[in-house]
Amino acid sequence: GENVEQHPSTLSVQEGDSAVIKCTYSDSASNYFPWYKQELGKRPQLIIDIRSNVGEKKDQRIAVTLNKTAKHFSLHITETQPEDSAVYFCAANSGGGADGLTFGKGTHLIIQP
Amino acid sequence: NAGVTQTPKFQVLKTGQSMTLQCAQDMNHEYMSWYRQDPGMGLRLIHYSVGAGITDQGEVPNGYNVSRSTTEDFPLRLLSAAPSQTSVYFCASRSGLAGTDTQYFGPGTRLTVL
Repeated sequence: GENVEQHPSTLSVQEGDSAVIKCTYSDSASNYFPWYKQELGKRPQLIIDIRSNVGEKKDQRIAVTLNKTAKHFSLHITETQPEDSAVYFCAANSGGGADGLTFGKGTHLIIQP
Repeated sequence: NAGVTQTPKFQVLKTGQSMTLQCAQDMNHEYMSWYRQDPGMGLRLIHYSVGAGITDQGEVPNGYNVSRSTTEDFPLRLLSAAPSQTSVYFCASRSGLAGTDTQYFGPGTRLTVL
């Protein structure tokens, strides 16, 4: 089955700086890679996703890049703000099948004022 | 639309008790699933369903049963609760059956087994 590794587990950045979170996956047939943001006590919320037919996708201050050859994908947040503080999870599907997502273990992003 | 709803929000059980976690969605999604979230472990798939009458196991199915009698509802049953099942449980539904479709999560149920 799919295995997703996520790094770092904790990331502290100064407000206004950029943050980068990296994930690797094992199943070369995976073709969907979402990122979720989870605030304390809340549900995971989709913030951006990328499908394997593109290498990069941007949405305002958030971008995701995908390298299928190396089997890794990254989340980039620019001009970080206090409200970006949360736990971020990457995920990957298993070969495009119906059996759900495999998640990384999460990155706790801390924005220092 | 209410989206994906879950009840209860919190539950405390004693070892050996049984209970059902409820999940419903009003988006007419065929695909529904259950995940558990433990500290430092991310979310792990328990069971999923691709339509009424069809269910299958995920990564961590032991100790849990599911059924899908309608498109809207996908309950998760714990037949004999164990302390290892203390966790936060999230139900999710997906807009299509393709693995590339967007998945939406419910608000979660925090379960403690004493």
